[in-house]
Amino acid sequence: EIVLTQSPGILSLSPGERATLSCRASHSVSSSNLAWYQQQAGQAPRLLIFGASTRATGIPDRFSGSGSGTDFTLTISRLEPEDFAVYYCHQFGSSIFTFGPGTKVEIK
Amino acid sequence: QITLKESGPTLVKPTQTLKLTCTFSGFSLSTRGVGVAWIRQPPGKAPEWLAVIYWNDDERYSPSLESRLTITKDTSKNQVVLSMTNMDPVDTGTYYCAHYGFLGYCSGRLCYSLSDWGLGTLVTVSS
Repeated sequence: EIVLTQSPGILSLSPGERATLSCRASHSVSSSNLAWYQQQAGQAPRLLIFGASTRATGIPDRFSGSGSGTDFTLTISRLEPEDFAVYYCHQFGSSIFTFGPGTKVEIK
Repeated sequence: QITLKESGPTLVKPTQTLKLTCTFSGFSLSTRGVGVAWIRQPPGKAPEWLAVIYWNDDERYSPSLESRLTITKDTSKNQVVLSMTNMDPVDTGTYYCAHYGFLGYCSGRLCYSLSDWGLGTLVTVSS
């Protein structure tokens, strides 16, 4: 089973700043099987990025994903007020799905 | 438009069996490559994948919970059912179902993901 770790656990930033979130896998992950989700309080997770770097439908271009192998990154170029939330990376190799523990992006 | 809705009991007693139904629309579980997954999320914690069933009846389970889980589908009713035996208070949380489907090509490869989720249903395990 592939274990995902995310850092930092909490990211305190101001609106307009750049956010860089990291996801590291215990074993190599195919890029096509790596996704990022955003979760607002009381809501279901929302798909942001699939295939490690492709934005899902309707996701603003301030969100970008990159990486390969065991290291992946989600970048938010300029934080908007609605971007303060929890972000999870997710992989599904060999039909075993796992999620990272999450990074909370909070207002500084 | 794809929608999914979870239904089932909101309160179960320890040792009981939980049965949840996911009713969906906007896609068919007989389409090649499509699946429906169940994910749960304890309060304040990360999502945890439970099980997935695919268009071809292939079933996969979380290794840590496999002995307690059964997932089935009724393609004609557009429903997927998850059963979890021997419920315990640590199983309390929000249970989601999600559509696993084709999203496009990523660097020339087929890309799938859990693209659409239901609103979730909160299940509390308590005597």
